[in-house]
Amino acid sequence: QKEVEQNSGPLSVPEGAIASLNCTYSDRGSQSFFWYRQYSGKSPELIMSIYSNGDKEDGRFTAQLNKASQYVSLLIRDSQPSDSATYLCAVIHLGNEKLTFGTGTRLTIIP
Amino acid sequence: GEEVAQTPKHLVRGEGQKAKLYCAPIKGHSYVFWYQQVLKNEFKFLISFQNENVFDETGMPKERFSAKCLPNSPCSLEIQATKLEDSAVYFCASSRTSDRGRDFGPGTRLLVL
Repeated sequence: QKEVEQNSGPLSVPEGAIASLNCTYSDRGSQSFFWYRQYSGKSPELIMSIYSNGDKEDGRFTAQLNKASQYVSLLIRDSQPSDSATYLCAVIHLGNEKLTFGTGTRLTIIP
Repeated sequence: GEEVAQTPKHLVRGEGQKAKLYCAPIKGHSYVFWYQQVLKNEFKFLISFQNENVFDETGMPKERFSAKCLPNSPCSLEIQATKLEDSAVYFCASSRTSDRGRDFGPGTRLLVL
């Protein structure tokens, strides 16, 4: 079982709709959770950080964390073609502070 | 600076040659991390530093890879005797504390022929 799992996609969403990205992690001791966006040929860009259970909103992005279910999600409202990218879920493990990435979900927004 | 800087952008080496990559973290960030991205989305952690001290080196293939972060110098990652499978993008990242998100540099694309 991988430490951080994501559906690789591709996930296609019409422009203006809500894109929903999901991630599960195996280590219950994980303490910090992140969503990165990576455009093709570019470096990962941190778009959301979440540290406690519940929802965190930033503009069109909402991150949701459920530690009991070991589940993190990212919602993108009013999806734009510029949101087309690979979205990487990443988790920091308590104790070793190592950031572990999932394999990413490729998102395509269809105009 | 406000961004992680990495040089060179591209590096081509023949198998068996040495490769050296450089990274300047964001000013004020104490932690530096090196990652290798081989396939499109697979990130492999290599090593991290807290200032000039190794913080975690559990991902380093020690027989050929070495890294340093010396005061007043860019951090470096060196690969002795490169192999074909070392072809990848090497990302450097930095953060203020170890439990926060990392800011990534643009990466160095290494091609071993």
